[in-house]
Amino acid sequence: GQQVMQIPQYQHVQEGEDFTTYCNSSTTLSNIQWYKQRPGGHPVFLIQLVKSGEVKKQKRLTFQFGEAKKNSSLHITATQTTDVGTYFCAGLGSNDYKLSFGAGTTVTVRA
Amino acid sequence: DVKVTQSSRYLVKRTGEKVFLECVQDMDHENMFWYRQDPGLGLRLIYFSYDVKMKEKGDIPEGYSVSREKKERFSLILESASTNQTSMYLCASSIQGTDTQYFGPGTRLTVL
Repeated sequence: GQQVMQIPQYQHVQEGEDFTTYCNSSTTLSNIQWYKQRPGGHPVFLIQLVKSGEVKKQKRLTFQFGEAKKNSSLHITATQTTDVGTYFCAGLGSNDYKLSFGAGTTVTVRA
Repeated sequence: DVKVTQSSRYLVKRTGEKVFLECVQDMDHENMFWYRQDPGLGLRLIYFSYDVKMKEKGDIPEGYSVSREKKERFSLILESASTNQTSMYLCASSIQGTDTQYFGPGTRLTVL
């Protein structure tokens, strides 16, 4: 079955710095979604990407869908303490009908 | 706002007990899901349901069963709990299976 891999598993960031987390699929995806889970909380939907090469921004967060629709990235600029949490990508395969979640990237921020 | 509620935030059970985890959503969503979340493994799908009385196995259905008698309610059942089922269990719902999923707060189950 389809697998979605996320790297890195952990990201320790100095406040104010930028970082990127990556999501890679073994197969072509129809779409990809990103979720954020705050410590002690539950995953909350952030965004969905559908088109090849699509780029979407939410304030300091930039999401990108690869040209081949097999990978995606989330880039955060000027990291703040409010960015702490685990970021999950979830992909839908071309011939699939359910999402496959990656293992997540857990972000901690040094003040 | 979509609201997904789960019956318990924390649950402690003994090995061999039958365990019921309940999930209710209030947005008339067709699809409901049960995941377990373990460190380093992310969210793994146990079962999902795309309609009342319909269910499909996810990636890790062994040791679990589900019930969906009403559209708003999706139950996860551990017939005979084992220690390796200690985990965080998350319920989610969506309009369609491929749409945005709305998660409940989770149930942290400990099996002793």
